[in-house]
Amino acid sequence: QKEVEQDPGPLSVPEGAIVSLNCTYSNSAFQYFMWYRQYSRKGPELLMYTYSSGNKEDGRFTAQVDKSSKYISLFIRDSQPSDSATYLCAMRIPNAGGTSYGKLTFGQGTILTVHP
Amino acid sequence: NAGVTQTPKFQVLKTGQSMTLQCAQDMNHEYMSWYRQDPGMGLRLIHYSVGAGITDQGEVPNGYNVSRSTTEDFPLRLLSAAPSQTSVYFCASSRGTGASNEQFFGPGTRLTVL
Repeated sequence: QKEVEQDPGPLSVPEGAIVSLNCTYSNSAFQYFMWYRQYSRKGPELLMYTYSSGNKEDGRFTAQVDKSSKYISLFIRDSQPSDSATYLCAMRIPNAGGTSYGKLTFGQGTILTVHP
Repeated sequence: NAGVTQTPKFQVLKTGQSMTLQCAQDMNHEYMSWYRQDPGMGLRLIHYSVGAGITDQGEVPNGYNVSRSTTEDFPLRLLSAAPSQTSVYFCASSRGTGASNEQFFGPGTRLTVL
């Protein structure tokens, strides 16, 4: 079983829709949670990060973390065609040592297409 | 700032050949790492470095070597390429490894091993 499972999609939504992207994880040592956006043929770029349960908003994006259920979500409001990308959840263990030092554990990614 | 740069963008190798993937950053970041991205697998850590002269293995290090002689550069060497190393390789850097230390990724190198 993978440590981080992400809904694989792909997702195709009309412009203006609310998008929900989800990941579950099995390792309760994960404490830092991130969402990366990756445009086609580009490297991932950090969209949001959080290290506490609850919601964090940034414009049209809301990151939600539920540590008791080991579940994180990213919501995109009023989705735009420019949001079309692969979204990757990632998480990290603070102060991890050995081969886990600084390591981000990624979900498989969800391909999102927002059509006009 | 150019950020994180990677060369080449594309490469085709034959089984058994060796090559070096280049990575450079101009942000004076201490922490650098290499990931590979495969369909359905997300990104997996190959090797990382916490500063010049210090490297260590990540999750999938076999078949790869790294060195870090300067803060700016972190090359990844494939010793004897195998088809299983066909992947997209990303280099990343960050100031540190705390929660607020964003990892910046390069544009990637697409490698095909025949």
